Amino acid sequence: QSVLTQPPSVSEAPRQRVTISCSGSSSNIGNNAVNWYQQLPGKAPKLLIYYDDLLPSGVSDRFSGSKSGTSASLAISGLQSEDEADYYCAAWDDRLNGWVFGGGTKLTVL
Amino acid sequence: QLQLQESGPGLVKPSETLSLTCTVSGGSISSSGYYWGWIRQPPGKGLEWIGTIYYSGSTDYNPSLKSRVTISVDTSKNQFSLKLSSVTAADTAVYYCARDPYKSSGRALDYWGQGTLVTVSS
Repeated sequence: QSVLTQPPSVSEAPRQRVTISCSGSSSNIGNNAVNWYQQLPGKAPKLLIYYDDLLPSGVSDRFSGSKSGTSASLAISGLQSEDEADYYCAAWDDRLNGWVFGGGTKLTVL
Repeated sequence: QLQLQESGPGLVKPSETLSLTCTVSGGSISSSGYYWGWIRQPPGKGLEWIGTIYYSGSTDYNPSLKSRVTISVDTSKNQFSLKLSSVTAADTAVYYCARDPYKSSGRALDYWGQGTLVTVSS
């Protein structure tokens, strides 16, 4: 049971837009920055979005992040087959005094 | 370019202690404002934070693992290490080390090692 809640899977057609939600509480998302990670099969997680909505250098601007209250979202526009991966949200939790993650969302590009 | 590399045995027997080291290159582990963490991922499952250390030696541990975990740092070697005692099959996972910058804007695990699979089996 993950502290942050994500849908287990999402799917959409190429060139379309998809969003992945991440729900938490006041001790994590509500009070701290949300980060998003992309994990390709057999690879380490890669930072995709940090501090709610910032893109690291080299990350495509097809990816965007947003946050409202205790929930956050990752949006991917212009879907490509290479976007098929697992996506995780993460935030520091003040009650746990540590990192908490979502359970991950598997994106399938139809 | 900062790089992190995990190393250690890939097979550990039940009830024994798992020991891993993360070697940091391309940057100093003693830089102010940077924490260093361990995260694991059981096969086919999600990510679980294990713990975090600052170069001063200050640590934070996941309460669910705290009784079995020790994280330490060796600034002279630019390394930090993980020890997990009394392991069971449930500790079988890919173990990652990562950098955790602490800034006024927030925190993010930004650089990750490639991960190392540790299997607990007799």
